[in-house]
Amino acid sequence: DIQMTQSPSSLSASVGDRVTISCRASQSIKNFLHWYYQKPGKAPQLLIYSISSLQSGVPSRFSGSGSETDFTLTISGLQPEDFATYYCQQTYSSPLTFGGGTKVEIK
Amino acid sequence: EVQVVESGGGLIQPGGSLRLSCAASGFSVSDNYMNWVRQAPGKGLEWVSVVYSGGSVYYADSVKGRFTISRDNSKNTLFLQMNSLRGEDTAVYYCATVTVAGQYGLDLWGQGTTVTVSS
Repeated sequence: DIQMTQSPSSLSASVGDRVTISCRASQSIKNFLHWYYQKPGKAPQLLIYSISSLQSGVPSRFSGSGSETDFTLTISGLQPEDFATYYCQQTYSSPLTFGGGTKVEIK
Repeated sequence: EVQVVESGGGLIQPGGSLRLSCAASGFSVSDNYMNWVRQAPGKGLEWVSVVYSGGSVYYADSVKGRFTISRDNSKNTLFLQMNSLRGEDTAVYYCATVTVAGQYGLDLWGQGTTVTVSS
């Protein structure tokens, strides 16, 4: 099974900050890496698919990068609505594992 | 409108069984890879099971042998049969799929249905 490790598990940031979240896979997952965003009490939403492609309607301040086993989600200019929990997921092979999540909180 | 709606959750005693449903509209469950994902209270997302368009099914180790995923193409509905339920199965269960051909991130999620396993 492929393990997905996210870091940090939580972070505090201010509106306008640049934030980076890392996700590491235990083996190569090619470009089958996706990022999700979840607010409390709500279903997750797809942010970025295939490492760096922005889902329709997602603001351009979100970007993704990386390859093989190491990936990054960047938020350039944090907005109030961005305070949430972010998850990475691999869909390269089953089980289709998620990272543990990164909670972005207001400083 | 393209959507999925889960149902079937509730309070169940340990050792009991429950069947969750995910009714799809705007697309065919047989054409997409359909997933169940759960989230225990205060915890992260845990992938549970998938059925691919070709019929292959896979499970997380934590539910293998106890849960069964299936679909009814005539009803355009996905199911999750959950047997031998344990306290650690308590969670919100989401149905999730991909609606855009050629991309593999889960872009359609339901609102979730809550399963509580407790005596």
